[in-house]
Amino acid sequence: DAKTTQPTSMDCAEGRAANLPCNHSTISGNEYVYWYRQIHSQGPQYIIHGLKNNETNEMASLIITEDRKSSTLILPHATLRDTAVYYCIAYFGNEKLTFGTGTRLTIIP
Amino acid sequence: DVKVTQSSRYLVKRTGEKVFLECVQDMDHENMFWYRQDPGLGLRLIYFSYDVKMKEKGDIPEGYSVSREKKERFSLILESASTNQTSMYLCASREPGTGGRETQYFGPGTRLLVL
Repeated sequence: DAKTTQPTSMDCAEGRAANLPCNHSTISGNEYVYWYRQIHSQGPQYIIHGLKNNETNEMASLIITEDRKSSTLILPHATLRDTAVYYCIAYFGNEKLTFGTGTRLTIIP
Repeated sequence: DVKVTQSSRYLVKRTGEKVFLECVQDMDHENMFWYRQDPGLGLRLIYFSYDVKMKEKGDIPEGYSVSREKKERFSLILESASTNQTSMYLCASREPGTGGRETQYFGPGTRLLVL
């Protein structure tokens, strides 16, 4: 799986959109971009994934650049419950998932 | 919604005890996984299973075994618990598909402390 790079930490005001960037400049053509998050002491929670097109679901939106070298996860109206570590992964269906250090997102009241 | 449950959220065991961690998924997935997660080491794959009665070693199988007698249930066994097995244990279930479309869904985790 291609390496991904994310900022170590970010803050966002409650109610505002949280935009979490991820760099994956070595991603191969068949690797998907996946996002998970992990709230303290809980199991990772799947958020969204995409290949080339932008994706949206009930939790978030995923914007992937045309060259696929970077992406942004958008939480449109952040709440305190969105405080978590967010992991961006480039994945091609291998047996194991490998999480990097992720971005620690703190939502500020 | 996919639901993956684990038998315990927290466990405290003594060195040398045999420990059973149970995982159940309700989506009829064939593939299931056991990971451990430690600070600074990320997720590490212990064992996985493609189907009933099938198992494959992951990256760190030593000191562990698994059992998959039914499709929905995947058990992790610590034969003789040691203090270096104190960790967060995560079970995951993977939906079928090809390429990168098979999402893994995780359970809530079991935090095991071995004294």
